[in-house]
Amino acid sequence: GESVGLHLPTLSVQEGDNSIINCAYSNSASDYFIWYKQESGKGPQFIIDIRSNMDKRQGQRVTVLLNKTVKHLSLQIAATQPGDSAVYFCAENSESSYKLIFGSGTRLLVRP
Amino acid sequence: KAGVTQTPRYLIKTRGQQVTLSCSPISGHRSVSWYQQTPGQGLQFLFEYFSETQRNKGNFPGRFSGRQFSNSRSEMNVSTLELGDSALYLCASRGRPTNEKLFFGSGTQLSVL
Repeated sequence: GESVGLHLPTLSVQEGDNSIINCAYSNSASDYFIWYKQESGKGPQFIIDIRSNMDKRQGQRVTVLLNKTVKHLSLQIAATQPGDSAVYFCAENSESSYKLIFGSGTRLLVRP
Repeated sequence: KAGVTQTPRYLIKTRGQQVTLSCSPISGHRSVSWYQQTPGQGLQFLFEYFSETQRNKGNFPGRFSGRQFSNSRSEMNVSTLELGDSALYLCASRGRPTNEKLFFGSGTQLSVL
């Protein structure tokens, strides 16, 4: 089905290091992008979003980068903590579409 | 403000039965989306409703249906259940039908035996 792809299914990082999760999207008409975090037994939780008129947006310990030229999205987590261990999804939407399309997810494992 | 509420949390059914799942969106949100999540397929879009109208539908058979009420609450129904319907069904809401983040509930875990 329709999907936004991810480069790495599992990412293992040392506690305190920075994490980078990548995502490729295929619809050039997409103009709104979101990162979600999902912990076991819970629904996806919003982390950060970015619109296509920006190429970078920062939150608390997280940064999203958008490269429209190569249709690539990344999530950077600074000083990764054990509580960051989860599955991360990117998602895309366009003004003309009513559906948010999700990538297949990347599992982030934080080693103590 | 209360989050998205889904009931029931867990459900066990047998093949051939039907099931109805319920979702109450965040107060003031008129757009409700449903997703199916399985380990192998990730998050697959089922449908989205806005102001009681289905605006978009994913690639699922007609056994999957839904509706939205005037108070924005939504239900989805699966008839003639198959083993492959076992999944986590997630409901999400947002204020606008496009280009706005979705807020998810905890989901209904459906097991079909």
